[in-house]
Amino acid sequence: AQKVTQAQTEISVVEKEDVTLDCVYETRDTTYYLFWYKQPPSGELVFLIRRNSFDEQNEISGRYSWNFQKSTSSFNFTITASQVVDSAVYFCALRRYSGGGADGLTFGKGTHLIIQP
Amino acid sequence: ETGVTQSPTHLIKTRGQQVTLRCSSQSGHNTVSWYQQALGQGPQFIFQYYREEENGRGNFPPRFSGLQFPNYSSELNVNALELDDSALYLCASSLANSGTDTQYFGPGTRLTVL
Repeated sequence: AQKVTQAQTEISVVEKEDVTLDCVYETRDTTYYLFWYKQPPSGELVFLIRRNSFDEQNEISGRYSWNFQKSTSSFNFTITASQVVDSAVYFCALRRYSGGGADGLTFGKGTHLIIQP
Repeated sequence: ETGVTQSPTHLIKTRGQQVTLRCSSQSGHNTVSWYQQALGQGPQFIFQYYREEENGRGNFPPRFSGLQFPNYSSELNVNALELDDSALYLCASSLANSGTDTQYFGPGTRLTVL
């Protein structure tokens, strides 16, 4: 069975601070995908990043960066110089590599990030 | 490029009724997945449709059913509604076997069961 744990239910920081959202996953599969999605108050899930299990290279996209460590089954997300517009619920998700079959995403419970001005 | 759209935005039903939710996939996508998101929780996978057939299902009872049409749009049907079915229902589309098949989500339908 697959499982994603986001232990931080809510994080509140002041604008311009750096913040890291933690994600720990469990899977028996050797090949899988990890994702981060952002859910603003409007409700729509916005795709941020997808990472393959065989690619442990960290990634940076503007103020966002992701640290994937297979040894600790973690895929953490850091926002540098946070802004009020970053306020949202962030979800980490896992999907097995199904080789063309169908598997849904397994989501964590989400971290509610509040950026105060 | 047209994104994923869902209708209706909000819906109120009473216990025991049936409901149909609709989803249009992003242009170029051939796979649709449905998720249920209860308040304060992460989305849970209901099922996925590819080539007009259900080819994957989460832990949901048979009263949750669906369809996919030749234009890749999809419907989610829920029979015998229960109070616990109140949730945000999210549809996601993707391009199967593309090597990237990332799921892109629509804005959701908020279902309230009274």
